[in-house]
Amino acid sequence: EVQLVESGGGLVQPGGSLRLSCAASGFTFSSYWMSWVRQAPGKGLEWVANIKHDGSEKYYVDSVKGRFTISRDNAKNSLYLQMNSLRAEDTAVYYCAKRRGCTSSRCNLGYFDYWGQGTLVTVSS
Amino acid sequence: QSVLTQPPSASGTPGQRVTISCSGSSSNIGGNTVNWYQQLPGTAPKLLIYSNNQRPSGVPDRFSGSKSGTSASLAISGLQSEDEADYYCAAWDDSLNGVLFGGGTKLTVL
Repeated sequence: EVQLVESGGGLVQPGGSLRLSCAASGFTFSSYWMSWVRQAPGKGLEWVANIKHDGSEKYYVDSVKGRFTISRDNAKNSLYLQMNSLRAEDTAVYYCAKRRGCTSSRCNLGYFDYWGQGTLVTVSS
Repeated sequence: QSVLTQPPSASGTPGQRVTISCSGSSSNIGGNTVNWYQQLPGTAPKLLIYSNNQRPSGVPDRFSGSKSGTSASLAISGLQSEDEADYYCAAWDDSLNGVLFGGGTKLTVL
């Protein structure tokens, strides 16, 4: 059974940092692109970042470029999101998601087939 | 930023058929596949339709998807009370080089 379990959320002051983790199990983690998707309170879903199965390629939504870093440790079956210079508008539930249907070079035909339960990040003074 | 446009709300009575539309552009829906996600209240999203019209195992055949040009739609037939949820379309966007979600449609079963 595929499981994605996020952790690391919490309350942080504006300008602060937080590192989210996602522990994966039930599938060959090193074979899949992975992503972070967030949802602000009462709002819709927003894709945040993608990382290729081997970590060699990373993509970000413009609003987090230069502040957030996605990474993975295939030996530990874990995905991470380092969030720096946090702003109030980063307040959201952050979901880890497995992306299926990607090739070795492109992910445009892929989809999120499994999601974690989410971890809440609150940026407030 | 590019955007996928969905109606904010939809409704129907039990047994009815409802459709939810999703409109995009050539950089997203027009050139890539569309996926749909269902989010029940207080839970994580769940994959409902992938590759325009494919259902994952376990998803009832009451749910169907279609795509034409730069638009897509989700149809739910034989509406049931447990279908009350938020529905999101999504597609890769070549300009964003990432995934674009629609704003979501809240489905109410009257």
